Amino acid sequence: GAVVSQHPSRVICKSGTSVKIECRSLDFQATTMFWYRQFPKQSLMLMATSNEGSKATYEQGVEKDKFLINHASLTLSTLTVTSAHPEDSSFYICSASGSVERLGQFFGPGTRLTVL
Amino acid sequence: QKEVEQNSGPLSVPEGAIASLNCTYSDRGSQSFFWYRQYSGKSPELIMSIYSNGDKEDGRFTAQLNKASQYVSLLIRDSQPSDSATYLCAVNKNNAGNMLTFGGGTRLMVKP
Repeated sequence: GAVVSQHPSRVICKSGTSVKIECRSLDFQATTMFWYRQFPKQSLMLMATSNEGSKATYEQGVEKDKFLINHASLTLSTLTVTSAHPEDSSFYICSASGSVERLGQFFGPGTRLTVL
Repeated sequence: QKEVEQNSGPLSVPEGAIASLNCTYSDRGSQSFFWYRQYSGKSPELIMSIYSNGDKEDGRFTAQLNKASQYVSLLIRDSQPSDSATYLCAVNKNNAGNMLTFGGGTRLMVKP
């Protein structure tokens, strides 16, 4: 199956700082990447969808100025959590899909963010 | 009505039994269907995909699709304790591109 990596796997930061999370598709070209957030014992929540070279589409209730998404190439997307606060502590997971929709999405291993 | 519905469980089965996980969806035009497995604290892992009515088998897993009833299921034969996880049903709705709509997941517990 397709391989998606995420970095870092875990980050602890102070309130008010910014954190950048990288998502890479290692063996295929990801025309679309998705960013999800998952709180403990809750379902996946889609935050935004990004296509290479264009602006991300954010889900309702997700602040685009707080969660900056860049999808500069077909293998790399980044999520920057700006001015992080304790309530932003969560499990952030990216997924990637290629040009063939029926192959589904392939998830990265996730990044656990803890904001102190 | 949720777009993709799953019983949250937990579904408890003894080791060696068949686990049956069910999912219904509301968009009749949906084309592709996926089952993901998510262990606690980990990200989802794609285990099965199905597009046509009927059964699709892969090892101990069988996905079943009935578009007329808007129903998709996952059977796990010879269940093992290592199968204990949350199983997410995902649907690619018509004209949704690569976006998937996920159910809330069913927690499966396989008891030794």
